[in-house]
Amino acid sequence: AQTVTQSQPEMSVQEAETVTLSCTYDTSESDYYLFWYKQPPSRQMILVIRQEAYKQQNATENRFSVNFQKAAKSFSLKISDSQLGDAAMYFCAPLGGQGAQKLVFGQGTRLTINP
Amino acid sequence: EAGVAQSPRYKIIEKRQSVAFWCNPISGHATLYWYQQILGQGPKLLIQFQNNGVVDDSQLPKDRFSAERLKGVDSTLKIQPAKLEDSAVYLCASSLRVREKLFFGSGTQLSVL
Repeated sequence: AQTVTQSQPEMSVQEAETVTLSCTYDTSESDYYLFWYKQPPSRQMILVIRQEAYKQQNATENRFSVNFQKAAKSFSLKISDSQLGDAAMYFCAPLGGQGAQKLVFGQGTRLTINP
Repeated sequence: EAGVAQSPRYKIIEKRQSVAFWCNPISGHATLYWYQQILGQGPKLLIQFQNNGVVDDSQLPKDRFSAERLKGVDSTLKIQPAKLEDSAVYLCASSLRVREKLFFGSGTQLSVL
């Protein structure tokens, strides 16, 4: 079974600055994917970034990038040049396992952007 | 491209009543998921369909929850009878196939009084 730990229930950052959200996970799988999803007050989960575990290169998506440390089972999200629209709940989620291959979510980190 | 559609957006019922939620996934998406998100927590998978077959329902409280996906397209999640602890947001998601990006609907917020 997979478990996910997001140790920061809340984070805040000044607009235009950089913030890093942490995530650690546990899985027995060797081949899996990792995702960061964002959930604004509208409740709709929006994919921020995806990382394949077999890739050593960290994924980037515009202002969003990850620091993937496979041996340490760590998957942090860095948001550069923070914008007011980045305010949301952020969830880390590994996807793996044979058969069902279900997405398992962490408890989330609430990110506040201060103008 | 149309997104995942869910209805209703809000529902308030009394305990022991029944309720049903509807989800229409993105056209062509074979995999459909129902998640339960209790306030302050991350979503928890209730059931996963591949076309119209159940792949994983290990966390579905089968004594009160049921779900179906007829013809491998839209899906219905039912709770009967509801308990206070069922108050949550119920999210539906779909993906083209397993291990692909999940697209989520806006969810149904259920309040059980």
